[in-house]
Amino acid sequence: GQQVQQSPASLVLQEGENAELQCNFSTSLNSMQWFYQRPGGSLVSLFYNPSGTKHSGRLTSTTVIKERRSSLHISSSQTTDSGTYLCALERDSGGSNYKLTFGKGTLLTVTP
Amino acid sequence: EAAVTQSPRNKVAVTGGKVTLSCNQTNNHNNMYWYRQDTGHGLRLIHYSYGAGSTEKGDIPDGYKASRPSQENFSLILELATPSQTSVYFCASGDAQCNERLFFGHGTKLSVL
Repeated sequence: GQQVQQSPASLVLQEGENAELQCNFSTSLNSMQWFYQRPGGSLVSLFYNPSGTKHSGRLTSTTVIKERRSSLHISSSQTTDSGTYLCALERDSGGSNYKLTFGKGTLLTVTP
Repeated sequence: EAAVTQSPRNKVAVTGGKVTLSCNQTNNHNNMYWYRQDTGHGLRLIHYSYGAGSTEKGDIPDGYKASRPSQENFSLILELATPSQTSVYFCASGDAQCNERLFFGHGTKLSVL
């Protein structure tokens, strides 16, 4: 089965609202990363967060290993936040091969 | 920030033809990766490399070869392109010193007719 599941698949917000994106994984992990993909564009790393909580501006990432989940919180959303948010886990394979397994992403649309 | 450059940005190929996608990174990262992105599948790992001269199979290597002639360059080769290989291909680089945060290129949109 799919090792990384993201929810919701899509989300529409009005500007100023907050968003909570979820990533659940079915295997043990070495690390978790969150990426932002511009519409039709490349991926930008947002967080490398193997455990705990990290902040960057309006973004907060929380990874709880024993519950096998990670979340991305976007506060006071802006239209420029629109795009796809992807989580990716590095599986704990006993080695350090740094291979990531990606979720299918959450498509976020922020309307004015 | 690490710079990863892919070429070409767009490519139209014919079935059975050979296609080479190129990737160059300028931050001296050891590890490089090729992913493809398709609707409904997300990003899937095709091949990766730990350094010059090394190539490793990812999760979906069939129909693809890879070449890492130098630290900076990593190519993906489709010897006999098929329509099922129509996709957007992303190259990425990373290094343990950066906690393996990946830096992606802008992608190559490949259409095989």
